[in-house]
Amino acid sequence: AQKVTQAQTEISVVEKEDVTLDCVYETRDTTYYLFWYKQPPSGELVFLIRRNSFDEQNEISGRYSWNFQKSTSSFNFTITASQVVDSAVYFCALSATGNQFYFGTGTSLTVIP
Amino acid sequence: DAGVTQSPTHLIKTRGQHVTLRCSPISGHKSVSWYQQVLGQGPQFIFQYYEKEERGRGNFPDRFSARQFPNYSSELNVNALLLGDSALYLCASSRSQANPIPYEQYFGPGTRLTVT
Repeated sequence: AQKVTQAQTEISVVEKEDVTLDCVYETRDTTYYLFWYKQPPSGELVFLIRRNSFDEQNEISGRYSWNFQKSTSSFNFTITASQVVDSAVYFCALSATGNQFYFGTGTSLTVIP
Repeated sequence: DAGVTQSPTHLIKTRGQHVTLRCSPISGHKSVSWYQQVLGQGPQFIFQYYEKEERGRGNFPDRFSARQFPNYSSELNVNALLLGDSALYLCASSRSQANPIPYEQYFGPGTRLTVT
């Protein structure tokens, strides 16, 4: 069975603070892919990153960084120097070698100016 | 290039009615997936279609059906609507069938369905 848990329902930070969004996953597959999506108030999910289970190297893209740790089944997402435009709901998702994506329940991030 | 488009944007139906939602994928994308997103929850997978064939089905009743056309656009049909079917219905397209590598999916803006 595949499952994604995002324990943080809502987070509020003041602009320019760093924030980490947690994602814990469960799967019995040895090959799987993890994703992060952003859903702004407009509603359209925006793809942020995809990582496969064989690549545990951390990734940085501008103010965004991702920490993948197989030992703890976690794929956490950090936003550095947060901005108001980062306010959105963020979803972590898992897909193995099947044809389904399993999404977490999302973390609503509010960045206060 | 145009992104994934969905129609209609909003829809209000009465219990027991039938609804058809439409989706046009990004040009060149052959895979279309449908998701249901209830308020405050993550998207729940309903169907995936690739090359007009159903390649995956989530845990939804038979009232939900879909199809994909030769131009790769897709329709989601829901019969005998229930109040609990009220949700945002998202369509996503990707370059290829998920198996073996699930490519990133690109989502449309969704159709907001309200059942009264």
